[in-house]
Amino acid sequence: GEDVEQSLFLSVREGDSSVINCTYTDSSSTYLYWYKQEPGAGLQLLTYIFSNMDMKQDQRLTVLLNKKDKHLSLRIADTQTGDSAIYFCAEINQGGKLIFGQGTELSVKP
Amino acid sequence: DADVTQTPRNRITKTGKRIMLECSQTKGHDRMYWYRQDPGLGLRLIYYSFDVKDINKGEISDGYSVSRQAQAKFSLSLESAIPNQTALYFCATSRDAGTGVLGGGGYTFGSGTRLTVV
Repeated sequence: GEDVEQSLFLSVREGDSSVINCTYTDSSSTYLYWYKQEPGAGLQLLTYIFSNMDMKQDQRLTVLLNKKDKHLSLRIADTQTGDSAIYFCAEINQGGKLIFGQGTELSVKP
Repeated sequence: DADVTQTPRNRITKTGKRIMLECSQTKGHDRMYWYRQDPGLGLRLIYYSFDVKDINKGEISDGYSVSRQAQAKFSLSLESAIPNQTALYFCATSRDAGTGVLGGGGYTFGSGTRLTVV
């Protein structure tokens, strides 16, 4: 079956790096995604990575993909209080539907 | 105006009542989805529709029904609401199943409807 797992909470200090981890089970996923949900809002796409890549960098964001271990991580450099949100890992299944992890609530302390 | 609009934003209803959540979109997308979000469980798919004549059950469809009235409108109904349907409900659209930006990256979410069943 399809399953995406994340830890529920992460707390960091402003200026530190945050690393949010995700594991998935569907090895046929071609793309994996990170979505961000700010309080009271819907989900917005943060970044994505194609399954034949092992790293993607976009400004303060770095996505690492280990296909062998089916492990995905999102690193946020120089974390700011505005980065406080819930971060969802997601994969596309065979039928073209997004399967989400439980979401990791990132708390950034000043 | 938002690309995906959900109404109402908040609703409190009593057990046993029928309630409808509405979603409309201006993206021109064919595919529409209803998800519910519960703390610690992420988003789970309730129903989805790939075009006006197409309705499919998601992983947690029991107790829900949907109607795709037009390409732009997809409503979710709870025929007889129960307290464990208290959740945040999201509507989303996408252009196709594709991949990358056109696939999961191409999903547009509404702002959500917070439903409380007492």
